[in-house]
Amino acid sequence: NAGVTQTPKFQVLKTGQSMTLQCAQDMNHEYMSWYRQDPGMGLRLIHYSVGAGITDQGEVPNGYNVSRSTTEDFPLRLLSAAPSQTSVYFCASRRQGNTGELFFGEGSRLTVL
Amino acid sequence: AQTVTQSQPEMSVQEAETVTLSCTYDTSESNYYLFWYKQPPSRQMILVIRQEAYKQQNATENRFSVNFQKAAKSFSLKISDSQLGDTAMYFCAFMHPYYGGATNKLIFGTGTLLAVQP
Repeated sequence: NAGVTQTPKFQVLKTGQSMTLQCAQDMNHEYMSWYRQDPGMGLRLIHYSVGAGITDQGEVPNGYNVSRSTTEDFPLRLLSAAPSQTSVYFCASRRQGNTGELFFGEGSRLTVL
Repeated sequence: AQTVTQSQPEMSVQEAETVTLSCTYDTSESNYYLFWYKQPPSRQMILVIRQEAYKQQNATENRFSVNFQKAAKSFSLKISDSQLGDTAMYFCAFMHPYYGGATNKLIFGTGTLLAVQP
């Protein structure tokens, strides 16, 4: 039972490089989201999706792109990495509706030099 | 915009003792959901407990219980008989109901780091 799978778990980038954080879930959840976690700031929502082909911005979307071509996958793209994007990134999914319980991936630690 | 405030960045408790973590939130809605999530050193986020605002009874899950004060917009987490495995970052979170058209997002507080001492 895989749940939410994120790759890679660790990544070091140079300023200006691009990369994609992958996220896949096997629970047929409609809702998927990306958060970043920074010390003293909790988890902040970057982008989210309520189904294939539908995405929207969260609290801190600048510098990130997403797409949702399938129910299972929700990749997060950094087009030109900046040191301010050094963070731990979490992908999370849940059923649309009021259950509220998010299922999280294990996180990806990204360092931008 | 909704906000969630956790005013205790760090707390410490002795094993087997009871500790209470505070959370306040701001909303103009009357119906919503509140959650406590736990993040141990492994980094994995785990749902601890969930409260629906229209239910007056406080939620309980084994050693974990909440004190939900709707008028005061307060949602504290009580951990009884603390265990070493309770050492973790605890996040309070808020969510509006799903109305079928809008998307209900979870908004998190900044977290409280709890250390259980042997």
